[in-house]
Amino acid sequence: QSVLTQPPSVSAAPGQKVTISCSGSSSKIENNNVAWYQHVPGTAPKLLIYDNNKRPSGIPDRFSGSKTGTSATLGITGLQTGDEADYYCGTWDSSLSAGQGVFGGGTKLTVL
Amino acid sequence: EVQLVESGGGLVQPDWSLRLSCTASGFTFGDYDMHWVRQAPGKGLEWVSGVSWNEGNVGYADSVRGRFITYRDNVKNTLYLQMNYLRAQDTAVYYCTRVPPYCHGDCYFDSWGQGTPVTVSS
Repeated sequence: QSVLTQPPSVSAAPGQKVTISCSGSSSKIENNNVAWYQHVPGTAPKLLIYDNNKRPSGIPDRFSGSKTGTSATLGITGLQTGDEADYYCGTWDSSLSAGQGVFGGGTKLTVL
Repeated sequence: EVQLVESGGGLVQPDWSLRLSCTASGFTFGDYDMHWVRQAPGKGLEWVSGVSWNEGNVGYADSVRGRFITYRDNVKNTLYLQMNYLRAQDTAVYYCTRVPPYCHGDCYFDSWGQGTPVTVSS
């Protein structure tokens, strides 16, 4: 069971907007930045959002992130069929010597 | 272009060993902490292990500690995962991933490889 909780699935029609939530304890989200990853099975996962709301170069502004207290949210607007993937939120645990990634259980996005 | 290419996966029997490699290119490998993350069939992403840029710090998930060893060769730009006493529960696709420098304990994985599959079965 993941320490970060995500809904198992979300769906929306092309062109619509969808949000994916990620909730955790204060030690996991409130006190740490949140990242979001997109993963199409069989391919390399891709960083979408880091530091709660920053987009790496090349990620379109259709993808956005926010965080409030112990919850974070990924928003995707103008949905495309190519956005169908699994989406994971993640934070960091620095208690281990080299640090450790902490992931949510993942949310499967279906574009109807 | 940043590239991380994993290799070494395959089918092994329980209690056997396997060594995964991750060859990096397109960036200064020795500047980055590197990690392994896996995904078991039908499951989500699970952090496995990480090593600092100079091997000064190495960490493992509880599920693999004492059986897996992570190390790196900064001359060969390669990260390794030596997996011993493999179990059926270790069956997964294993991904190599990097952490940007100077993230100061609030880090994330900014580049990933395509993964290499490991199946543990008799």
